[in-house]
Amino acid sequence: AQTVTQSQPEMSVQEAETVTLSCTYDTSENNYYLFWYKQPPSRQMILVIRQEAYKQQNAMENRFSVNFQKAAKSFSLKISDSQLGDTAMYFCAFMNPFTGANSKLTFGKGITLSVRP
Amino acid sequence: DSGVTQTPKHLITATGQRVTLRCSPRSGDLSVYWYQQSLDQGLQFLIQYYNGEERAKGNILERFSAQQFPDLHSELNLSSLELGDSALYFCASSEGGQGDALTDTQYFGPGTRLTVL
Repeated sequence: AQTVTQSQPEMSVQEAETVTLSCTYDTSENNYYLFWYKQPPSRQMILVIRQEAYKQQNAMENRFSVNFQKAAKSFSLKISDSQLGDTAMYFCAFMNPFTGANSKLTFGKGITLSVRP
Repeated sequence: DSGVTQTPKHLITATGQRVTLRCSPRSGDLSVYWYQQSLDQGLQFLIQYYNGEERAKGNILERFSAQQFPDLHSELNLSSLELGDSALYFCASSEGGQGDALTDTQYFGPGTRLTVL
């Protein structure tokens, strides 16, 4: 079974600064997908970024980018120019739709990020 | 707004009762997923439906059941409710469920907060 570990329960960053959130995962599979979701105080789950394991290039979406290290099974999220609206819980998630023909997400426990004004 | 709708937003009920949570996926999405978010268990996958058929089961209790109707909306039925069933229940949808990162990416509804007293 796949596991996702987010070992930092909380982080804090000054507005306009850069912060990196860590995630590691465990799998014996070669093909899979990784995601970061954001859950602000409204509790809505919002997709931040997606990475396909077969792609060597790290995914980027505006101020959000990932550092995907397949051999190390590491998938960190970098938020540049942090904004107050980035304050949220961030979840790392793993999906392997190739085995068992299902696309369930396996989530880490999440990291609470606070952006200070 | 993800395009996924869930009703009701809040539900308060008593132990032993039965409730039904409803989800309408994004237009064009064939897969529906149900997740439970609780303080002690985190975010857990319950069940997936693809085009009306059950595709995968996760940690879903026997007291819980779900179905996806011909119009692709889905319902999650929770019966013989216990205090420990109090949680935020999310529905997510994706275009596919067939092993492609783009079409398997899940978009979440706002959730239904269930409180069992």
